[in-house]
Amino acid sequence: DVVMTQTPPSLSVAIGQSVSISCKSSQSLVYSDGKTYLHWLLQSSGRSPKRLIYQVSNLDSGVPDRFSGTGSQKDFTLKISRVEAKDLGVYYCAQTTHFPLTFGSGTKLEIK
Amino acid sequence: EVQLVETGGGLVQPGRSLKLSCVASGFTFNNYWMSWTRQAPGKGLEWVASITNSGGSTYYPDSVKGRFTISRDNAQNTLYLQMNSLRSEDTATYYCTREGFAYWGQGTLVTVSS
Repeated sequence: DVVMTQTPPSLSVAIGQSVSISCKSSQSLVYSDGKTYLHWLLQSSGRSPKRLIYQVSNLDSGVPDRFSGTGSQKDFTLKISRVEAKDLGVYYCAQTTHFPLTFGSGTKLEIK
Repeated sequence: EVQLVETGGGLVQPGRSLKLSCVASGFTFNNYWMSWTRQAPGKGLEWVASITNSGGSTYYPDSVKGRFTISRDNAQNTLYLQMNSLRSEDTATYYCTREGFAYWGQGTLVTVSS
């Protein structure tokens, strides 16, 4: 199984600052079609998860460009610039390249 | 607007069965793989099952293989999860998700307890 190691487990940040979350996979996430199926999700308190970024760096519709994703192979990063209060919640990375599909353990973002 | 609406959760005794449903709307259902993902109370996300757009192939993690069955009715835009031999560790909110975790339903809570 692909293990997704997500760090840090929690972050406390002031409004307007930037943060980065790391996600490392135990195997390459490049699929046979050449694409990398690494996604980022946000679960706000009491809500269902919502996908923010798909295939490493593509923003889902309606997601502000303060969010960005980078990385390749086994090493990925989510960056949030100019953090806003509505960004708080738990961020998960997820891979859909290999079965079983797996998630990182989550990063809880809190606002100072 | 894409909508996924799950139903069928509830309280069930260990060893018993339960069937979840997810009605999809706002997209062409038979164009997409679909999955079930669960979240135990206060815990992270765990993928439970996936099915191809035609329903011809299914995939499961070892934790549910042989006990859970995913299926779909493309004419009714509905996804199902048949859960047998339920255990206390299956207690979770179950989400219906579209291919690539692009969309999530509101979830339905399954509690396995005597």
